[in-house]
Amino acid sequence: AQKVTQAQTEISVVEKEDVTLDCVYETRDTTYYLFWYKQPPSGELVFLIRRNSFDEQNEISGRYSWNFQKSTSSFNFTITASQVVDSAVYFCALSEAWRNTPLVFGKGTRLSVIA
Amino acid sequence: DTAVSQTPKYLVTQMGNDKSIKCEQNLGHDTMYWYKQDSKKFLKIMFSYNNKELIINETVPNRFSPKSPDKAHLNLHINSLELGDSAVYFCASSQDFAGKSTGELFFGEGSRLTVL
Repeated sequence: AQKVTQAQTEISVVEKEDVTLDCVYETRDTTYYLFWYKQPPSGELVFLIRRNSFDEQNEISGRYSWNFQKSTSSFNFTITASQVVDSAVYFCALSEAWRNTPLVFGKGTRLSVIA
Repeated sequence: DTAVSQTPKYLVTQMGNDKSIKCEQNLGHDTMYWYKQDSKKFLKIMFSYNNKELIINETVPNRFSPKSPDKAHLNLHINSLELGDSAVYFCASSQDFAGKSTGELFFGEGSRLTVL
């Protein structure tokens, strides 16, 4: 069965520090999708990125970057030069495309960025 | 226009009452979901409907009954509310391609239910 593990429950950093949020997944499918969502204090779930299992290229979007490594079943998320507005709970999630299974979420990592 | 909208956003009620949360999506998606987020922020799938048909029903008490009058709507009715039902309930939708989903979900803003 699919599973997502976010071992870091809470992280605190000082503004402008870089921070990496870890995500490890388990799946038996060869075709799957990985996601990161952000949940700010206001409560909504904000989509950040989707990556399919055939694309291991790392991605950078502004201060955000993602490192996908199939060899270690990891999809880590790095925020460079963190800002207070980055304070949120971040969820990693997995969908097994061929089984048409719903998105399964990790337990989330709460990031606090201190000014 | 809001893509996935839920009402009400907040709901406070007494134990034993029956309540409903409504969800509508205007994205033309085929599949809709209900997720429950508990006090520890854990997000768990409850139900999934595809073209008005139930396709996923996790181990949820039968006091919870989803209803999908059409593929743009998925409502959640809860009977005999209990303290443990207090949570944030998120509705979501996704577009399936030939029965295989890319998995990307579009979420509503959530409905915070408090049972006293």
